Amino acid sequence: NAGVTQTPKFQVLKTGQSMTLQCAQDMNHEYMSWYRQDPGMGLRLIHYSVGAGITDQGEVPNGYNVSRSTTEDFPLRLLSAAPSQTSVYFCASSYNGVNYGYTFGSGTRLTVV
Amino acid sequence: KNQVEQSPQSLIILEGKNCTLQCNYTVSPFSNLRWYKQDTGRGPVSLTIMTFSENTKSNGRYTATLDADTKQSSLHITASQLSDSASYICVVRYGGSQGNLIFGKGTKLSVKP
Repeated sequence: NAGVTQTPKFQVLKTGQSMTLQCAQDMNHEYMSWYRQDPGMGLRLIHYSVGAGITDQGEVPNGYNVSRSTTEDFPLRLLSAAPSQTSVYFCASSYNGVNYGYTFGSGTRLTVV
Repeated sequence: KNQVEQSPQSLIILEGKNCTLQCNYTVSPFSNLRWYKQDTGRGPVSLTIMTFSENTKSNGRYTATLDADTKQSSLHITASQLSDSASYICVVRYGGSQGNLIFGKGTKLSVKP
């Protein structure tokens, strides 16, 4: 099993550009989520989904959109990149997000210049 | 405010020694507490999950404890190895089915030969 696959691993964007961070899991997990990790801070939740067709906002959703058309995929869209969005982004999935562990992807390191 | 505080911020130990990492939380309502290991440049990997009624849980050389009364947890690493060098993150899940995770900032452990 591949687990949680994130692409790309590295990306440099110019301010104002848009892009999509891809996340796919092959464990048939219902729960998927996106986090950002910044130096000196704990991971912060951007958006999450409890199943196909259902998404909700986390702690820091501004500037990001998500959709969940299939159980497997949960892409994160940056609409108009800003330097404040420079971060490492992690996608995670879980069987139900309540009492099961989360499986994290290996991350996407994004720099906005 | 829901918070997870970890100490120490960083720790250096010699290979073969034991160490204990601390986690204090003020999260309500409490659902469960997790410890994750994050190698540099990788996503977090789950070590343990403990619910309110569990005091101790082990995963190989890692033993986590939970005192729900004092809202404290610890992660004890026995006979440390060079591969234990990583950040260890305490995570508390709050709420019911729509609850989410609060991440600590982590303890950076360095194991020296």
